[in-house]
Amino acid sequence: QKEVEQNSGPLSVPEGAIASLNCTYSDRGSQSFFWYRQYSGKSPELIMFIYSNGDKEDGRFTAQLNKASQYVSLLIRDSQPSDSATYLCAVPNQGGKLIFGQGTELSVKP
Amino acid sequence: SQTIHQWPATLVQPVGSPLSLECTVEGTSNPNLYWYRQAAGRGLQLLFYSVGIGQISSEVPQNLSASRPQDRQFILSSKKLLLSDSGFYLCAWSLWGQDEHYFGPGTRLTVT
Repeated sequence: QKEVEQNSGPLSVPEGAIASLNCTYSDRGSQSFFWYRQYSGKSPELIMFIYSNGDKEDGRFTAQLNKASQYVSLLIRDSQPSDSATYLCAVPNQGGKLIFGQGTELSVKP
Repeated sequence: SQTIHQWPATLVQPVGSPLSLECTVEGTSNPNLYWYRQAAGRGLQLLFYSVGIGQISSEVPQNLSASRPQDRQFILSSKKLLLSDSGFYLCAWSLWGQDEHYFGPGTRLTVT
């Protein structure tokens, strides 16, 4: 059974700082990884995906994948209060399904 | 572009009453469809998924059922709700061969 682990937080960072969110996964054969953002009371929104080792940047967001160590990270530069949300890491499972971590709650303080 | 709708947005139902939640997807054909539940402060639990009309796979045993009467319509039902059925119900879709899921706005169900 594949597993995805995240620290539940809350992770608190000051406005303008870098927020670092981490996720580890159990299946060494996993090939793609997804980050979702979920604001309180709202549905998850896909914000990043990464397939290859290394970094992938999209605006203030950078996803980092290290397959040898089986972890994937999401960095948020210049954090804003509007980034306060729960961030979910997900890994594909067979049959088109995704396995989600429990999510890390991020709080950006003004 | 693709759009996913869910209704109702919120629902308060007494224990023992029936349930019907509906999800429709626009702008794509033959999507994979999923029902998730998120209890308060908890992660996402996959309840059902469907790869085509009439094809439903259940992930966990419970008093819920799902149906897919049309290609882009997915329905979650229950004959008798339990208190433990309260939660945030999310419908999602994906394309065959692609892993990313896209979620609808969700239905918040409170069973009293």
